[in-house]
Amino acid sequence: DIQMTQSPSSLSASVGDRVTITCRASQNIHNWLAWYQQRPGKAPRLLIYEASSLESGVPSRFSGSGSGTEFTLTISSLQPDDFATYYCQQYNNYYLTFGPGTRVDI
Amino acid sequence: QVQLVESGGGVVRPGGSLRLSCAASGFTFSAYDMYWVRQAPGRGLEFVSFILSDSGNKFYAASVKGRFTVSRDNSRDTLYLQMNNLKTEDTAVFYCARGRGVGRDATPAFDHWGQGILVTVSS
Repeated sequence: DIQMTQSPSSLSASVGDRVTITCRASQNIHNWLAWYQQRPGKAPRLLIYEASSLESGVPSRFSGSGSGTEFTLTISSLQPDDFATYYCQQYNNYYLTFGPGTRVDI
Repeated sequence: QVQLVESGGGVVRPGGSLRLSCAASGFTFSAYDMYWVRQAPGRGLEFVSFILSDSGNKFYAASVKGRFTVSRDNSRDTLYLQMNNLKTEDTAVFYCARGRGVGRDATPAFDHWGQGILVTVSS
């Protein structure tokens, strides 16, 4: 299976901050990567697919980049609704795997 | 609007069985690949299983293979997960999710999720 890692595992930030989360894959996954946001007690929400494509309805302050084995999710100006846990997920093959998550809090 | 509603969860003893259902509405269910993802309490997300739109192909995580069976009834717009020989480590919130895109554009990125249903395996 392809192993996914995320860094940092958690971070503290303030409203208006620029936040960057890194996701690394144990092998080349091209651009087959998605990012999700999960608020406590809620289902995940798709933010980014194919590494850099913004899902419909997702604010433009979210962006994704990278290819191969290293990817980033950037929130350009953190808003109160953005305090949540973020997961990356690879879909290079059907052995789908998620990263362990990055918790963003105040 | 797209809705996915899971049901069938609950408390079961180790070795027992449960069948989860996921009722879909607001989209052409038969056109989409569907997935099950779970989340153990306080833990991250784990892929469980998928089934292609026409039920032609199914896939399972190693942790559930041979114990879980995914199926769908496109006439009822419903996805199922039959879970047998449950173990304590199967305790989790189970989500059904829709794969993004249809046909040649279908990808295993999940653009809609149900609210989740709790399965507790305990003696």
